[in-house]
Amino acid sequence: SAVISQKPSRDICQRGTSLTIQCQVDSQVTMMFWYRQQPGQSLTLIATANQGSEATYESGFVIDKFPISRPNLTFSTLTVSNMSPEDSSIYLCSVARTSGGTYNEQFFGPGTRLTVL
Amino acid sequence: GNSVTQMEGPVTLSEEAFLTINCTYTATGYPSLFWYVQYPGEGLQLLLKATKADDKGSNKGFEATYRKETTSFHLEKGSVQVSDSAVYFCALSDPGDDKIIFGKGTRLHILP
Repeated sequence: SAVISQKPSRDICQRGTSLTIQCQVDSQVTMMFWYRQQPGQSLTLIATANQGSEATYESGFVIDKFPISRPNLTFSTLTVSNMSPEDSSIYLCSVARTSGGTYNEQFFGPGTRLTVL
Repeated sequence: GNSVTQMEGPVTLSEEAFLTINCTYTATGYPSLFWYVQYPGEGLQLLLKATKADDKGSNKGFEATYRKETTSFHLEKGSVQVSDSAVYFCALSDPGDDKIIFGKGTRLHILP
């Protein structure tokens, strides 16, 4: 398994500002993922972050809005830039572990609840 | 592309009732299937999994069987408890792909 922590756990921000969310894993992992969970909705993958390379963004998400850093194998940050109320969501990071060589299991952090006023 | 469809909620049951949450999937290959649970105020936790046809995943009294012929992975529990109140997500991933595709989630309320 993997133990994942996120900071901050929640924040209330003003429109037009930026927030950086930190994700720390208790062991080295190759791939980390950032998801958004809007109120009452499912999880939407924002991007995949591999250490030592640029993050890969999903359709509808761009680096200018959601810059990601991955400086080492246990840490990543996601910045939500120039925020608007539509960015109010829970942001979750996760890591993937291959289990028995047959499937990848993902472990999730507790999430960061962001409210933009 | 791959997708997951699960029954809409909320689902409200009395304690000790039988639970079924339906989940069907569309995939080009032979995906692994998962049920994740999100308790109030917490992150997602893997509840159970199945990696090939006819596999049965089970945990905490919950079960789901990988049915390739019906492309389904329905979640069941024989007797639910108030503590089972949560949002349940059905999900899949393709072999060799680290991404997981989630269904929309089903909110479950169990009344004492």
